[in-house]
Formats: sequence, C-alpha cells, structure tokens
Amino acid sequence: DTGVSQDPRHKITKRGQNVTFRCDPISEHNRLYWYRQTLGQGPEFLTYFQNEAQLEKSRLLSDRFSAERPKGSFSTLEIQRTEQGDSAMYLCASSLDERTKKFFGPGTRLTVL
Amino acid sequence: DAKTTQPPSMDCAEGRAANLPCNHSTISGNEYVYWYRQIHSQGPQYIIHGLKNNETNEMASLIITEDRKSSTLILPHATLRDTAVYYCIVKVLTGGGNKLTFGTGTQLKVEL
Repeated sequence: DTGVSQDPRHKITKRGQNVTFRCDPISEHNRLYWYRQTLGQGPEFLTYFQNEAQLEKSRLLSDRFSAERPKGSFSTLEIQRTEQGDSAMYLCASSLDERTKKFFGPGTRLTVL
Repeated sequence: DAKTTQPPSMDCAEGRAANLPCNHSTISGNEYVYWYRQIHSQGPQYIIHGLKNNETNEMASLIITEDRKSSTLILPHATLRDTAVYYCIVKVLTGGGNKLTFGTGTQLKVEL
C-alpha cells in the first residue's frame, strides 16, 4: 500500500505525559499537513510543511505542540504535557504540490485520561 | 475562504442517486468548490472539484449553478459503502498554503 500511513493508530496516555505521532506521506509528495479532529466536528488545520520547511502554524498549535519533518519525508507531531482537551483524532495528509489533491492517512486517535 | 452551508444529514436508498447540496453564496471568482468525504474512523478522501463547469469522474458528478452560489454533488448509484460525512469546501486553487477548512458536513446514510 503506497498511501499515507500514521503510527500509532491509537494512543492512550495520562494527563501530563508527552506523546509523539509519526506520519509517512506518499513518496515524493512535497507537502505534508497535520489536522486535528474532535468528535462531531470536521478536521481543523494545525500546520503544514513544504519539504522540510514548516511554512504555517495555526493558532490551535500551542507551545506544547511541535512538528518536524527533518529530511522532507516523514513527519512527527509531539505534544508535551498532554491535557484532556488534547483528546482528538490527529490526521496527516500529503500532496504532490500546492495545486494537487490531498491524500489523508487513517489518523491517530489520542485519548488523554 | 468562502463559508459553506450543508444540511446536517440525508438518507438515500441503495442504488438510487444521492444528491448532496451545498450553498456558498459568498464565493469569489477564483475560488473552487471541493468535495471530500470521510467514512467512519478513516481519514477524509478527495472526491471531486470544479470552478464553474460541471465535472464528472469515476466517483461522482459536480453540478455548479451558473451564479456559482451553490452546487450539488451527485453519487449516481449510491451503495452502502457511500455512507459517510461529505464535506463541501470552497478555496482558491493556490495560495493560503492550500489548506482545507472543513465545516461539519452532511452525514449521508445509504440504506437498503
């Protein structure tokens, strides 16, 4: 399967712990996006990369959140000192460039107890 | 990006056409209409997009009114696997990071 993959698919953690998610985009896709989705709502944009450069961050991305794409391929999203409000589905998407359609991964569901 | 309005839910019988409406009365001349869908517990999936002409692909047809203030996504022969939340999104083709602004969409339920 050559689609977007995300790991882990599910994560349960205790409040205050740090978590890290990984996204592997489709090969040769230059653009990589992170979205967050809470129950009953549509996905909300968090941040995106053009190759290894992080070009935009949403105001939803507090200081506790950090994303990287060190070699312009896979990306990681880290949440420090998790809070119950961080519980959500974290979605990754990639596209070949700015104009082309996005392909989404299956998401990582985070539950903070 | 222009705001869109969609009905929260719709039902459709399997094998019949599903017509999902979207209002985007404040759409700008350079904004496209995109449709994505999200099957339960999966990531969103691109369906189709268009500017002003009607578009058709292997998944669906997109009908945009002449004044571009509304559009309809048509699934010609809905199946149970088409049960999903359908999102209508209006955005420019390039610029603004090409990020998508999702609303709450239409929950389409296809039944036997």
